[in-house]
Amino acid sequence: DAGVIQSPRHEVTEMGQEVTLRCKPISGHDYLFWYRQTMMRGLELLIYFNNNVPIDDSGMPEDRFSAKMPNASFSTLKIQPSEPRDSAVYFCASSFIPGELFFGEGSRLTVL
Amino acid sequence: GNSVTQMEGPVTLSEEAFLTINCTYTATGYPSLFWYVQYPGEGLQLLLKATKADDKGSNKGFEATYRKETTSFHLEKGSVQVSDSAVYFCALSDRGGGFKTIFGAGTRLFVKA
Repeated sequence: DAGVIQSPRHEVTEMGQEVTLRCKPISGHDYLFWYRQTMMRGLELLIYFNNNVPIDDSGMPEDRFSAKMPNASFSTLKIQPSEPRDSAVYFCASSFIPGELFFGEGSRLTVL
Repeated sequence: GNSVTQMEGPVTLSEEAFLTINCTYTATGYPSLFWYVQYPGEGLQLLLKATKADDKGSNKGFEATYRKETTSFHLEKGSVQVSDSAVYFCALSDRGGGFKTIFGAGTRLFVKA
């Protein structure tokens, strides 16, 4: 299996631009998680899905952030408009056993 | 709500030293507990797990025992290697929390040759 695939690996954009991060989970996994990692705040859960349905989005920082999972093999995390404080590494993870997550390699976002 | 607290790092050890990284948790139900490891530039990887009280998880020489009475899940290794240098995260997941996985802040380990 190819594992969890995230794209892009690196994104540099200017403040105010729209950013879309993509994730392909491992086939057969019915949970998908989006995390954000920064030095200051550590690893934060933004949102997670079960069977493509958002279960808990309480970690989404504000309305500028949105996430979708249109089917079992694809999810997006969108930031519009982006701000410098959104700079972080964004991880997607999937699982079929609760707690046993498989992480992608992350998307490093820099907002100038 | 559920939470995980782990010892602050960094932890710096010499090769072959004994390692302990403390982790305590708060949960409303009966969580499963996990340790993950993150190497530079990579995502987290599951290192070991325990699903009920008194279970011992082990992998690659690391081990941790689920202690319900002290709500702890400390990570130990008898003899660390330079290649163990990484960030270690304690985590929990339980039905009461909707199975979302909560991570501690992470503890960075440096092992010197």
